[in-house]
This record gives sequence, structure tokens and C-alpha cells, in this order.
Amino acid sequence: EVQLVESGGGLVKPGGSLRLSCAASGFTFSSYSMNWVRQAPGKGLEWVSSISSSSSYIYYADSVKGRFTISRDNAKNSLYLQMNSLRAEDTAVYYCARDRIAAAWGYFDLWGRGTLVTVSS
Amino acid sequence: SSELTQDPAVSVALGQTVRITCQGDSLRSYYASWYQQKPGQAPVLVIYGKNNRPSGIPDRFSGSSSGNTASLTITGAQAEDEADYYCNSRDSSGNHHYVFGTGTKVTVL
Repeated sequence: EVQLVESGGGLVKPGGSLRLSCAASGFTFSSYSMNWVRQAPGKGLEWVSSISSSSSYIYYADSVKGRFTISRDNAKNSLYLQMNSLRAEDTAVYYCARDRIAAAWGYFDLWGRGTLVTVSS
Repeated sequence: SSELTQDPAVSVALGQTVRITCQGDSLRSYYASWYQQKPGQAPVLVIYGKNNRPSGIPDRFSGSSSGNTASLTITGAQAEDEADYYCNSRDSSGNHHYVFGTGTKVTVL
């Protein structure tokens, strides 16, 4: 079955760190760019970060740049998000998503179920 | 960076047609994609590219685009179509980012 499964969420204090993981299965993980997308409680979707198939290209939303680090291990079919200096506004469900990109479009065709990160003292 | 604007909420009678719009400068350069999200669930891709549906998405969902506006149309809305809908595109600022729309809550009456 083609799927993405996130893990690693939880409760963390402001200023703390957390590492999220996303396990991919059912497709050739190393052939796809991957992303993290988050959704604060009751709010809309926000793109967080993307990483190309070979990790050559990495991009971050301005809201997390300098605090979050995306990485992947193609041998383990896994995507990661290291989150440092966490703030209350980082509280959200974090989704792992596969993207398909071309000259005229970019979209997310496969999503995980998400993992909840709560930043609170 | 780019922004995509959607109407917060729309309603449609069962079996009727509803169109959801998404406006933003990035849509002049890139096609929008559309996602359906039901409470407590992950988003699901329903339309991508010019007007393409992933496998398993009913053909009552269709997409179109003109200038800086993209539209998602549900023709013959069903009760199970009640959900939040988000548009999305690549950011046209040249920063290789993605941008999501503000979301539209669709209520089927």
C-alpha cells in the first residue's frame, strides 16, 4: 500500500526541540521530492519545507527558516523535520506530503495522517 | 511571497452545482491544485494541473482557470462533499515555495 506515516509529535515547552519522522512505503521514495505541511488548530494549511529527491535542493517557509531543518534518508525511506527553538505558534498538526512538480504546476498527491505538535509551558 | 484568497464559506443544495474560487497572482504563472479536507482527516487531492482528477475522485469535481483566478466546481453536490477545500500553487516569487489558499467551507444543505 502506498502510504506515509508520521511520528514524533508531542508536547514540548517553548524554546524546546522535537524531531518528526515520516515513513514512506509502497513507492520509490528516492524518486520524489517531499514536504512538510502544517495546520494550526482550526486554521488553514501552511507549507513548511521541501526537499528534493537527492537532498540537493531544500527550501523553508520564512516562518520556520533558521529554526527547522528538513532531511531525508533514502535508504530508510524516511523524511525528517528537526524543529528547534519552538514557539507557541508552531503548535499544529504536521503532515508529510509527496509533491509532483513541473514547469506549470506543483501539487501534493500523497499525504500522511499527520502528527500533532503542541508547544506549551 | 504570494497569497491565495478564497471565500470563507459557501453552501449548496443537495444535487446542485457549486463553484469555489481562488485568487492570487501566482495563478497567472502556475495551475492551482485543490484539496478536500474533512474534519479530523488529512487533505485529499481532488484536482491538479489544467483539470485533472486523481484516480478515485468522482467526475463531478472539475477545475478551471482564467487570469489570476482558479475555480473548483462540484456538479451535483453530494452530502459527502461537505468539507473544507483549499487551493494551492507554487509561489511565483521565484523562491521555490508553495502557497495555500485560505480555505472554503462547503456546506451541503
